[in-house]
Amino acid sequence: QKEVEQNSGPLSVPEGAIASLNCTYSDRGSQSFFWYRQYSGKSPELIMSIYSNGDKEDGRFTAQLNKASQYVSLLIRDSQPSDSATYLCAVGSNFGNEKLTFGTGTRLTIIP
Amino acid sequence: DTGVSQNPRHKITKRGQNVTFRCDPISEHNRLYWYRQTLGQGPEFLTYFQNEAQLEKSRLLSDRFSAERPKGSFSTLEIQRTEQGDSAMYLCASSLPGYSNTGELFFGEGSRLTVL
Repeated sequence: QKEVEQNSGPLSVPEGAIASLNCTYSDRGSQSFFWYRQYSGKSPELIMSIYSNGDKEDGRFTAQLNKASQYVSLLIRDSQPSDSATYLCAVGSNFGNEKLTFGTGTRLTIIP
Repeated sequence: DTGVSQNPRHKITKRGQNVTFRCDPISEHNRLYWYRQTLGQGPEFLTYFQNEAQLEKSRLLSDRFSAERPKGSFSTLEIQRTEQGDSAMYLCASSLPGYSNTGELFFGEGSRLTVL
């Protein structure tokens, strides 16, 4: 059974600090990795995608992938109160097939 | 608004009744997905379509559930003889086809079902 695991939190981070979110996955054949942000009562919104080992940066967000360790992380620099949300890690088996397996999400709270 | 549209946004029904949800994807997206999300959980894949063809169904999709996309545009998800365990948010998402896309799913705002 393909699994994606995340610490459910809550994770509390002071405003302006770095928030670090982690995710592990069980299927070694996984090819695509995503971080979605979900505000309470809203639908998931893609914030980062990563397909190869290493780091990928987009503004204040950095995704890190280590396929050997089956580990994905998301760093949020200069955390803002608006970053308070649940962050969902999602994993896809094949490029172009977006049948994603989601983790349960990590609830992040940025403390002003 | 050219995003994914779902309706109704909220549905309260009594156990045993049938309900139907509709999803209108982004117009140029030929792939359409249904996911279900319960409180405190991530979305769970139910089924997906490429154009009008239903390519995959999860084992979560019991025979009380049926999804259609008759003309490759909008899709409906029907739940027959609803049970309290069907209470959840039903999310629709769409994406560009295959290797031409970034793998991004665009989600609608969801249809929340409450079964009394």
